[in-house]
Amino acid sequence: DAGVTQSPTHLIKTRGQQVTLRCSPISGHKSVSWYQQVLGQGPQFIFQYYEKEERGRGNFPDRFSARQFPNYSSELNVNALLLGDSALYLCASSLPRAPSVNEQFFGPGTRLTVL
Amino acid sequence: TQLLEQSPQFLSIQEGENLTVYCNSSSVFSSLQWYRQEPGEGPVLLVTVVTGGEVKKLKRLTFQFGDARKDSSLHITAAQPGDTGLYLCAGEGETSGSRLTFGEGTQLTVNP
Repeated sequence: DAGVTQSPTHLIKTRGQQVTLRCSPISGHKSVSWYQQVLGQGPQFIFQYYEKEERGRGNFPDRFSARQFPNYSSELNVNALLLGDSALYLCASSLPRAPSVNEQFFGPGTRLTVL
Repeated sequence: TQLLEQSPQFLSIQEGENLTVYCNSSSVFSSLQWYRQEPGEGPVLLVTVVTGGEVKKLKRLTFQFGDARKDSSLHITAAQPGDTGLYLCAGEGETSGSRLTFGEGTQLTVNP
C-alpha cells in the first residue's frame, strides 16, 4: 500500500510570494495534519483536518491556510512568504486506533526554501 | 501549552554500546509516539505507548511509558551504525485532539 505522498519534494520561492503544498493520505485515512520542521528542531503542529473540517490550528499566522478535499487529500497554502518560513513541511495522515490514540504516519515532506 | 523535553540533544557512541533517550513533560498524554527520522525525510513511526507503565520492545529497542503518562524513555541495546538518526518523541494530549507535541529530538550517531 502507498504511504503518504507529498508534492513537490523541493521548492524555492522568494520573499512575498505564495506557495501551495499538496498531500495525499494513506488510503482509508480521513484525517490529515500539517507540521513545520525547522532545521534542528522537532516538527511544530500547523493544522489538522478531519472529514474536510478544520479540527485544530497551531500557533501560526493567518498567512497559513489549508483545506481538505472530498478524497481526503489536502493543500497547505502560505502567503506573503518570509525567510523564516524556510523549513521542511510535513503532512501526516491518521486513522484513530482508539479514542485518544491517533497514530500519525508522515510523508517525506516538502523542503521549502525562501530567498 | 504542552511541552516535551527530550534529552540528550546529541549522542555519539561506539558500536555495541547501550544508550537511553529521555522524554519528559509536566503534562499528561493520552499516548506517546516515538519516531526516527533520516535527513531530508519524514519521521517514521517506531512505536506507540498508551498505558501508564507500559513497556514495548522492538528488537534491540525498548520503550517505556511512565506510570503517570508524563514521561517516556527509549533504550537501545548494543547500538549499531544503522541506528544512526534523529529520534523524536511526540505526545498526544488528552484534550488536544490528535495534534502531536514533539520533543526537540535526539541526534544519535553510532560509530563503527
